[in-house]
Amino acid sequence: AQKITQTQPGMFVQEKEAVTLDCTYDTSDPSYGLFWYKQPSSGEMIFLIYQGSYDQQNATEGRYSLNFQKARKSANLVISASQLGDSAMYFCAMREESGYALNFGKGTSLLVTP
Amino acid sequence: GAVVSQHPSRVICKSGTSVKIECRSLDFQATTMFWYRQFPKKSLMLMATSNEGSKATYEQGVEKDKFLINHASLTLSTLTVTSAHPEDSSFYICSAGAGTPPYNEQFFGPGTRLTVL
Repeated sequence: AQKITQTQPGMFVQEKEAVTLDCTYDTSDPSYGLFWYKQPSSGEMIFLIYQGSYDQQNATEGRYSLNFQKARKSANLVISASQLGDSAMYFCAMREESGYALNFGKGTSLLVTP
Repeated sequence: GAVVSQHPSRVICKSGTSVKIECRSLDFQATTMFWYRQFPKKSLMLMATSNEGSKATYEQGVEKDKFLINHASLTLSTLTVTSAHPEDSSFYICSAGAGTPPYNEQFFGPGTRLTVL
């Protein structure tokens, strides 16, 4: 069964606008971690933000914030003030308590337009 | 953040040859490294988990004899694709956990693009 679901294969946003990338997850572990990565066309995976299941507050890192709704099992990434350089693939991932490896969603392709 | 390197970044080889890909953690010790495979416009699929000094743990469906993984030191893990065939052409990415398990941060190498002719 798919553990990470990203329902938006592609998204468009205008420069300087905010955009939300959706991610839902499925786990029965009480302890888990949620990650977002950016993958530009060069292929490198760039770590953006992390949210632990026991964290009380939503994670923020500069223009990135994670809208964590535990009851809904969602971990949406919000990018504020989009920039042209934000155009890339974005992957949501989860690490469960039972393992160290990451399970990735299928990704969302974001295109920022002028 | 921590730096993970991969070498080579790109390799083209003939069918039937073996290819070795190195993954190094440059400024931290990584007791655990992970190997992923990514097809074009697809997600990353975990192939195996590599622990320093012990045998790698392979995911279901990944051929152990085809994809040999060695983690000889705390900073180096290698993936050898043996007797490569065109269907092995893919983007291979390693990652390493930084800090203490279960690694609240994982850092990825830049990836190796393998093309088998």
